[in-house]
Amino acid sequence: DVKVTQSSRYLVKRTGEKVFLECVQDMDHENMFWYRQDPGLGLRLIYFSYDVKMKEKGDIPEGYSVSREKKERFSLILESASTNQTSMYLCASAGTSVSTEAFFGQGTRLTVV
Amino acid sequence: LAKTTQPISMDSYEGQEVNITCSHNNIATNDYITWYQQFPSQGPRFIIQGYKTKVTNEVASLFIPADRKSSTLSLPRVSLSDTAVYYCLVGDPQNQGGKLIFGQGTELSVKP
Repeated sequence: DVKVTQSSRYLVKRTGEKVFLECVQDMDHENMFWYRQDPGLGLRLIYFSYDVKMKEKGDIPEGYSVSREKKERFSLILESASTNQTSMYLCASAGTSVSTEAFFGQGTRLTVV
Repeated sequence: LAKTTQPISMDSYEGQEVNITCSHNNIATNDYITWYQQFPSQGPRFIIQGYKTKVTNEVASLFIPADRKSSTLSLPRVSLSDTAVYYCLVGDPQNQGGKLIFGQGTELSVKP
């Protein structure tokens, strides 16, 4: 069964902390994505990686960085967490065949206090 | 990447057919049209994908006119469990590495 696993379901962090959100996929997909989802705003792309060590900014990269050292793992980093980064974070992976079917993790609900 | 426009919300009743239309006027030649469904507290999941004409699977049908500037997701005889947000995406998986941009989606509410 296809799997995208996010390291935490719920996370509470303090303002100013460095936060790591981890995502692992077992489908050998080239593409991996980090989104955040807020009420009324849909899913907004933060960063995208199309290969190991390759990344591209999405629509809202400010305040975030990413790391992809291995094909199966894509990490989202909040360098200095702020309260406006409280959100649901979703990781996804997809292959590069004709189908653009993406598989999502269960999400991480991050609260910054 | 082609921008998509969908209705923000729709209401329906159990047993009805629901059609959600998505506009994508700037669709490129190599772009495919993909629809996702998202339930509360879950990540989106793939429903259906098409390039032109009509595609049908066990969940839905996708109608794409000849000019491909819009598409319609059709859900036959909806039930309460079809209450979800539906997203239309347009893109070329082999261009820009397959970046997936979601819009705001259509929130479908199915009532008894």
